[in-house]
Amino acid sequence: GAGVSQSPRYKVAKRGQDVALRCDPISGHVSLFWYQQALGQGPEFLTYFQNEAQLDKSGLPSDRFFAERPEGSVSTLKIQRTQQEDSAVYLCASSTTGGRNTGELFFGEGSRLTVL
Amino acid sequence: KNQVEQSPQSLIILEGKNCTLQCNYTVSPFSNLRWYKQDTGRGPVSLTIMTFSENTKSNGRYTATLDADTKQSSLHITASQLSDSASYICVVSGGTGFQKLVFGTGTRLLVSP
Repeated sequence: GAGVSQSPRYKVAKRGQDVALRCDPISGHVSLFWYQQALGQGPEFLTYFQNEAQLDKSGLPSDRFFAERPEGSVSTLKIQRTQQEDSAVYLCASSTTGGRNTGELFFGEGSRLTVL
Repeated sequence: KNQVEQSPQSLIILEGKNCTLQCNYTVSPFSNLRWYKQDTGRGPVSLTIMTFSENTKSNGRYTATLDADTKQSSLHITASQLSDSASYICVVSGGTGFQKLVFGTGTRLLVSP
């Protein structure tokens, strides 16, 4: 596609429910990132994929958060047993470059999660 | 700790006026510094990327400067337009780990008619 696509754009979950957020990066982009953005704050790093390999997951806040990119394209961020503090916008970004050389990032519009 | 601090937190200016946003960072080692524009409810969009050797970079009415010695950057917006109303986020690439970017909390700019 022309840009990074995320779905759903908005998700309301009851506390304790599991949610799955999807990211379709720009075709051919090697790197994929997930970020969490709280209201009025800058994005916080969650995890990084180079193709299908999850090379860095140091930003995941707890073991309730899980991300995968099994075929090196589409990625899913799953949050189990959601808590109110998980309420945030989850941004996905992709880049043509891999490894430690950070290229230009293209962001999706984000998935806004509200946990009641 | 790797940090990026931006000032002011928010700013209101009249349409047509200029403004300058500031960014200070402590990220080390340093790779590059980026400025992003984020409209409300949208993802960030890249304005400029500067490496260590670049002092200034322009993108239309946006001009970014970088002083790697003092670890400071600024984003100057010329002849502001209503569509410039957004959050402007300074992001520094570096530190350790794979492609880890450190984001500032942003400056929220409102351009008033």
